[in-house]
Amino acid sequence: NAGVTQTPKFQVLKTGQSMTLQCAQDMNHEYMSWYRQDPGMGLRLIHYSVGAGITDQGEVPNGYNVSRSTTEDFPLRLLSAAPSQTSVYFCASSYGTSGVPPGANVLTFGAGSRLTVL
Amino acid sequence: AQKVTQAQTEISVVEKEDVTLDCVYETRDTTYYLFWYKQPPSGELVFLIRRNSFDEQNEISGRYSWNFQKSTSSFNFTITASQVVDSAVYFCALSEAVNAGNNRKLIWGLGTSLAVNP
Repeated sequence: NAGVTQTPKFQVLKTGQSMTLQCAQDMNHEYMSWYRQDPGMGLRLIHYSVGAGITDQGEVPNGYNVSRSTTEDFPLRLLSAAPSQTSVYFCASSYGTSGVPPGANVLTFGAGSRLTVL
Repeated sequence: AQKVTQAQTEISVVEKEDVTLDCVYETRDTTYYLFWYKQPPSGELVFLIRRNSFDEQNEISGRYSWNFQKSTSSFNFTITASQVVDSAVYFCALSEAVNAGNNRKLIWGLGTSLAVNP
């Protein structure tokens, strides 16, 4: 199994450009999420989804859009990139087991995408 | 207010020393989940343990052990006889309910950077 696949691994953007970070999982996980990791800030949740067609905001959603049209894919869109969005982005997914909701289960992370906005 | 506090930003030990990483959390939920994840220098995030709020038994896995104490809202992680390969950033995280439904999200500590020197 591929697990969680993120593309691209590295990206450099200019301020104002838009782009999409792709995330795909092949484990039939219900729950998917996007985090950003910044030095000294830990991991912060951007958006998450508990199933196809359902998304919700995390701690730092501004400047990002998501959609979940299929169980497998959860792309993260930067609408107009800003230097403050320079970060490492992680996609993660998890399943729900009996008595344990998806958002409380073990997360499987992608390898990360390093984004630099100039 | 920080809901997951990892007071130790950086720890440096010599190989074979025991080391304890502290995690203190804050939540009003009666049902919640606690996690530890490891992020080695290569950057990926690796799951170590999940504990639910109803299970206060300590857990041991090889050289790793976890001490969960609800009375002090702590979930500390001890590495016995540390090795150079243990060098990583370790994150503690709390999964709590988002609303009255089944949605949950993880709140992450800022991490403790552990350096194990030969």
